[in-house]
Amino acid sequence: GAGVSQSPSNKVTEKGKDVELRCDPISGHTALYWYRQSLGQGLEFLIYFQGNSAPDKSGLPSDRFSAERTGGSVSTLTIQRTQQEDSAVYLCASSLGEGQGLKAKNIQYFGAGTRLSVL
Amino acid sequence: GESVGLHLPTLSVQEGDNSIINCAYSNSASDYFIWYKQESGKGPQFIIDIRSNMDKRQGQRVTVLLNKTVKHLSLQIAATQPGDSAVYFCAENANAGGTSYGKLTFGQGTILTVHP
Repeated sequence: GAGVSQSPSNKVTEKGKDVELRCDPISGHTALYWYRQSLGQGLEFLIYFQGNSAPDKSGLPSDRFSAERTGGSVSTLTIQRTQQEDSAVYLCASSLGEGQGLKAKNIQYFGAGTRLSVL
Repeated sequence: GESVGLHLPTLSVQEGDNSIINCAYSNSASDYFIWYKQESGKGPQFIIDIRSNMDKRQGQRVTVLLNKTVKHLSLQIAATQPGDSAVYFCAENANAGGTSYGKLTFGQGTILTVHP
């Protein structure tokens, strides 16, 4: 498909285990974002990748959270030593990104998310 | 800190009525705004956007109004349908400028319920 793809759609893990969440952005999008959404809440920004620039990690809640983007495409969000408060839906989005001209839009297109449950 | 918030967390309307969802923002540097619709179990879906050099923009059955004086944004949905039932988020960006980059700040969302 042409949209943002995330896997797995659901993940159940035990407290203390590490998890990896995957995001495949829309082809040609240079910007990629991760958000966290707790039940009944808005979206909390986690991290942003733009091309080959250093990522904006200002939203990561602790050093247990990290993300990488290989080859400017697929991204993996890793949560180490998971805690129950990490339970949430993790959403990935991509957009055309910087340098696309004044008429380009930074509309972010979202995947369906990964629902993480930490027991 | 800066924030984007919504006045009403829930809104219930009858099918066929018009809906108005409101959003207040506090960052005076915000120059780009987006409305998203999120259905249960899905990611947010783009509805309409507006830049700060405009005060109104219309789409199909939707209109976004921007009042920079009072830092208020609204989404109007005409002839609301049951399929419009979802959570609606406004989001703002204070760094759009002349580029397409934008780290969006989202509001808490309004739950719209449309009764047949």
